[in-house]
Amino acid sequence: EAQVTQNPRYLITVTGKKLTVTCSQNMNHEYMSWYRQDPGLGLRQIYYSMNVEVTDKGDVPEGYKVSRKEKRNFPLILESPSPNQTSLYFCASSDRAAKNIQYFGAGTRLSVL
Amino acid sequence: GESVGLHLPTLSVQEGDNSIINCAYSNSASDYFIWYKQESGKGPQFIIDIRSNMDKRQGQRVTVLLNKTVKHLSLQIAATQPGDSAVYFCAENSPWGGKIIFGKGTRLHILP
Repeated sequence: EAQVTQNPRYLITVTGKKLTVTCSQNMNHEYMSWYRQDPGLGLRQIYYSMNVEVTDKGDVPEGYKVSRKEKRNFPLILESPSPNQTSLYFCASSDRAAKNIQYFGAGTRLSVL
Repeated sequence: GESVGLHLPTLSVQEGDNSIINCAYSNSASDYFIWYKQESGKGPQFIIDIRSNMDKRQGQRVTVLLNKTVKHLSLQIAATQPGDSAVYFCAENSPWGGKIIFGKGTRLHILP
């Protein structure tokens, strides 16, 4: 089954404790993105990657890091989480030939205390 | 449309009627405009897209209209069904493909 898998689905952590949210896709897609979704603000792109070892900032990259060492994986790293990073996070992937058809994961709800 | 604070614009439509969801976009250089549907507790799901050189595109029960003069995009859903109840987002895709900007969303509520 074609899918984008995020882990964990729920996470509660404390300020300053480094964490990683993993994202994996099994569709051999070139493009991958991370978004955060906050009430009233819609989805905002954090980082995106158009291929292995190629990453670029989206609209809200501050406080986040990503890496794309393999095509299927695109982890989101919060080196020192802060309460304003409490949000619902989505990973998405798309094929280069159909870049608009993004497939989204089920989301990761993060709370930073 | 724009949302204020925590409240999404909501469109309430009678089951069986047509729905029209509107969106204003910001970047004249966007290459594609896209509509996504997000059901409660799930990630967004692609519905339909339209290239910037088109003004209308039809899918199954959905039609997207693009008015570049006023930077306006709309999604029309024919014969709205209970399963159409969701939040709908418009999005713009940059010409080089990576950067995508989403609107704030509109909640579609279906009345029985």
